[in-house]
Amino acid sequence: GQNIDQPTEMTATEGAIVQINCTYQTSGFNGLFWYQQHAGEAPTFLSYNVLDGLEEKGRFSSFLSRSKGYSYLLLKELQMKDSASYLCAVRRNTNAGKSTFGDGTTLTVKP
Amino acid sequence: DGGITQSPKYLFRKEGQNVTLSCEQNLNHDAMYWYRQDPGQGLRLIYYSQIVNDFQKGDIAEGYSVSREKKESFPLTVTSAQKNPTAFYLCASSTRDSNTEAFFGQGTRLTVV
Repeated sequence: GQNIDQPTEMTATEGAIVQINCTYQTSGFNGLFWYQQHAGEAPTFLSYNVLDGLEEKGRFSSFLSRSKGYSYLLLKELQMKDSASYLCAVRRNTNAGKSTFGDGTTLTVKP
Repeated sequence: DGGITQSPKYLFRKEGQNVTLSCEQNLNHDAMYWYRQDPGQGLRLIYYSQIVNDFQKGDIAEGYSVSREKKESFPLTVTSAQKNPTAFYLCASSTRDSNTEAFFGQGTRLTVV
């Protein structure tokens, strides 16, 4: 099975930087996804990491260390609209394309 | 425009009744998935299908059934055997490549009274 851990809640200030961590335990790791989900809406794709290192995409970056079973999502220049839940999802090479999701981190951005 | 559509957005049913949630995609994706989300929790996989006329149980399949008669459609039936059906249901689709993300529908909030 898989174990995915994320902090339940985080709070940050508009304009600041926040790092959301995700740790996982799995065999046959085949990629890690980050999704953003606003309350009552569908998750939307943010990033995908399969190799170690940092992937940067505008204000959002995602990092992966496979040896440590660790990823983080970095959000810069926070805006109020970034208040949402951030879901970490792990895919295994035996999973036929399906992902296992963490419980999500609810981020609140304050003025 | 390509996308994935779930209907209805809100659904109310009486306890003991079966109910079917619709999911349609025109993205030409082979794989489709149904997830359940409860308040403050992540997504849990109910069923998934990699190809037409084939589907597999996910982690919480009991009390649910699906069909995949067409590539575009993957309806989910919540049966009376599901002990706690009130939840937010999300349908998703993707290509069969392991490095591509899933695209989600807008979700159906089912309330059983």
